Amino acid sequence: EVQLVESGGGLVQPGGSLRLSCAASGFTFSSYWMHWVRQAPGKGLVWVSRINSDGSSTSYADSVKGRFTISRDNAKNTLYLQMNSLRAEDTAVYYCARDFLANDAFDIWGQGTMVTVSS
Amino acid sequence: QSALTQPASVSGSPGQSITISCTGTSSDVGGYNYVSWYQQHPGKAPKLMIYEVSNRPSGVSNRFSGSKSGNTASLTISGLQAEDEADYYCSSYTSSSTQFGGGTKLTVL
Repeated sequence: EVQLVESGGGLVQPGGSLRLSCAASGFTFSSYWMHWVRQAPGKGLVWVSRINSDGSSTSYADSVKGRFTISRDNAKNTLYLQMNSLRAEDTAVYYCARDFLANDAFDIWGQGTMVTVSS
Repeated sequence: QSALTQPASVSGSPGQSITISCTGTSSDVGGYNYVSWYQQHPGKAPKLMIYEVSNRPSGVSNRFSGSKSGNTASLTISGLQAEDEADYYCSSYTSSSTQFGGGTKLTVL
């Protein structure tokens, strides 16, 4: 079965750090671009970051640039999002998603992991 | 990185057709044929319904169709059914990012 499973969410204080993981299975992970998308409670989808198939190219939303780092380990079939200097406005469900055509069409999504930034 | 513009809500009766618009700029929607549409039910992950403006993934009903004119893309749902009630989001590729629309809540009356 093709699936993505996120982990690593939780409660963190403002200014703190968290690393999210996204474990892929059922497909050749190393062939696909991957993305992180977040959704604040009751709000819409917001793109966070993307990484190409071999990890050599990354992009970030302006709101997280310089604070978040996307990476991947193709040997472990895992995508990561290192989040530093967290703010209250980063509170959201974080989804990882597979980009099946490398043009931002996300055909497989994880179930999401909740990140809450609060003191 | 401004969000694409969608109507906040649309509604229709079972069997009717509705259209959701998604307006961007020449840097996103108008510049690429890489517009996607997602359906999201409460508490669930989004589901891809349309990609590359008008293509349907395997398993998506042919009641869902997409189109684009200039800087505006559209999602049309024909033969509305109760299970179509959900939030719908458009997205567009750009060279440096992905842009999502603000989302449209579809109510089936």
